[in-house]
Amino acid sequence: QKEVEQDPGPLSVPEGAIVSLNCTYSNSAFQYFMWYRQYSRKGPELLMYTYSSGNKEDGRFTAQVDKSSKYISLFIRDSQPSDSATYLCAIEGGSEKLVFGKGTKLTVNP
Amino acid sequence: EAGVAQSPRYKIIEKRQSVAFWCNPISGHATLYWYQQILGQGPKLLIQFQNNGVVDDSQLPKDRFSAERLKGVDSTLKIQPAKLEDSAVYLCASSLLGLFNEQFFGPGTRLTVL
Repeated sequence: QKEVEQDPGPLSVPEGAIVSLNCTYSNSAFQYFMWYRQYSRKGPELLMYTYSSGNKEDGRFTAQVDKSSKYISLFIRDSQPSDSATYLCAIEGGSEKLVFGKGTKLTVNP
Repeated sequence: EAGVAQSPRYKIIEKRQSVAFWCNPISGHATLYWYQQILGQGPKLLIQFQNNGVVDDSQLPKDRFSAERLKGVDSTLKIQPAKLEDSAVYLCASSLLGLFNEQFFGPGTRLTVL
């Protein structure tokens, strides 16, 4: 079983839709949970991170962590064409080492 | 504030040739990472430096890959000899030292091995 599993998609939605992106992980010792956004031909950039179970909101983005189920989610409300990118979940596995999911490619159509 | 710089941006080589990538991290960032991102995959950590010491190189194929970070600033990653399966984007990232600090990524070097 891989440490982090993420459905690679691709996912295509109309502008204004609510997007749900998900990852599961195997190691209960993981402490920090992150979502990175990667535009084509660019490096990943940190979108949000959480430490504990529960929700964290930042504008149109909500990150959700359920440690009991080892499940993390990212919700995007009122999606925009500029949100079109690959979204990578990442989990901090100790010693500042990140373990990434495969990434989900999202396209928001105007 | 300048971001993480990498060069070259693109490189095409024949298999069995050697290649080197360069990274200049954000000023003051003690920790530097090299990742390999194969098409359709997430980044995989190859090596992590703290200042000029290696913290983790468990996933670095040491028979062909090497990396150094002289003086705790710039870093180079070398592949010698390259294989077809080394075709990937090589990402450099840096972060401040601490319990959790955001990793800032460079634009990457896209390597194609023919």
